[in-house]
Amino acid sequence: ETGVTQTPRHLVMGMTNKKSLKCEQHLGHNAMYWYKQSAKKPLELMFVYSLEERVENNSVPSRFSPECPNSSHLFLHLHTLQPEDSALYLCASSQERDFRGNTIYFGEGSWLTVV
Amino acid sequence: GESVGLHLPTLSVQEGDNSIINCAYSNSASDYFIWYKQESGKGPQFIIDIRSNMDKRQGQRVTVLLNKTVKHLSLQIAATQPGDSAVYFCAESNSGGYQKVTFGTGTKLQVIP
Repeated sequence: ETGVTQTPRHLVMGMTNKKSLKCEQHLGHNAMYWYKQSAKKPLELMFVYSLEERVENNSVPSRFSPECPNSSHLFLHLHTLQPEDSALYLCASSQERDFRGNTIYFGEGSWLTVV
Repeated sequence: GESVGLHLPTLSVQEGDNSIINCAYSNSASDYFIWYKQESGKGPQFIIDIRSNMDKRQGQRVTVLLNKTVKHLSLQIAATQPGDSAVYFCAESNSGGYQKVTFGTGTKLQVIP
């Protein structure tokens, strides 16, 4: 149990579908992240929210749309995805203090397959 | 650009032996380093961290060594067990506004019974 819960754990969707990934952290952290993990590639940072405000968007295609309604919840809305978007999507959180970073804690991930 | 890399993609170790996983980083401004373990089908799990004002830190059966001169980081696992089989990532971070962590591709550790 990492304190970061992701649902669903597995998702298969067609290219015309709209779905959402959900993340909830129980650690009292004030920053949340979405990472993409593909085979044989380093973890790719997609989005960062600090104090519920988006602070980073690493040139992610608009078919991925994040939402952070409060400091404990993070969503990734998916629409018109491509097969190459199939990957493990990891949510993470950390506590930002005085603009100094701290350890990132990851969820178990959501395995996404686009058919 | 800045990058973090790992020397070996796969490491096989006999059960009971010590394991050493190496990592090179290129950002001289990095001041915080983390090792993560990722088991099959799971998310990365924090193992141990070290700040740049230290060169060694020990945990339970794990030790991280930092050599800032050559920008090298290593993870030592004592008395490796089958449960240690996983992919290990090193990551680096530098302070500034919000945390931004750069990960390497990972080293797969295989423990031979």
